[in-house]
Amino acid sequence: NAGVTQTPKFQVLKTGQSMTLQCAQDMNHEYMSWYRQDPGMGLRLIHYSVGAGITDQGEVPNGYNVSRSTTEDFPLRLLSAAPSQTSVYFCASSYSLAEYEQYFGPGTRLTVT
Amino acid sequence: AQRVTQPEKLLSVFKGAPVELKCNYSYSGSPELFWYVQYSRQRLQLLLRHISRESIKGFTADLNKGETSFHLKKPFAQEEDSAMYYCALPTIIQGAQKLVFGQGTRLTINP
Repeated sequence: NAGVTQTPKFQVLKTGQSMTLQCAQDMNHEYMSWYRQDPGMGLRLIHYSVGAGITDQGEVPNGYNVSRSTTEDFPLRLLSAAPSQTSVYFCASSYSLAEYEQYFGPGTRLTVT
Repeated sequence: AQRVTQPEKLLSVFKGAPVELKCNYSYSGSPELFWYVQYSRQRLQLLLRHISRESIKGFTADLNKGETSFHLKKPFAQEEDSAMYYCALPTIIQGAQKLVFGQGTRLTINP
């Protein structure tokens, strides 16, 4: 199993550009989520999904969109990048609501200039 | 509201010394707490969970409901313990699972 994969590993955007961060898992996990990691702020939940076709907002959803058309994929879209979105983004998945251990991807380091 | 606090952003100890990473939480009910670790250039991974009561890589953590704490301890630190450590509290809000993280503590073990 590849586990949770994320692409790209690094990305530089100009303010106003849009892009999609990809996340995929091959463990048949129902629950998937996106976090951003900023120094001194820990990991903050952006969006999450409890299954295909179902998504909801986390703590810091503004400026981001998600969709979940399949169990495996959970892309994160930045609609119009801003410098405040410079961060490291992690995707995570877990089997069910009762399975609290989350498996994390390697992260995407995004810089917005 | 459910909250996790790690009061130390940075912690530095010498190899062989005891180490304690602090974690305090606010939660109504019986919490299920986790410690996650992120080694340099690696992904975040689970270190240990309260319910399993096991020792991983020499680390232990005891839930103290009276002090609402879940401190991570190791009697003799090793250089490979240098990493970022996060305390996490899973919650279910309106039927949705969410993992609330503390701010993280960067542990450095000096030779």
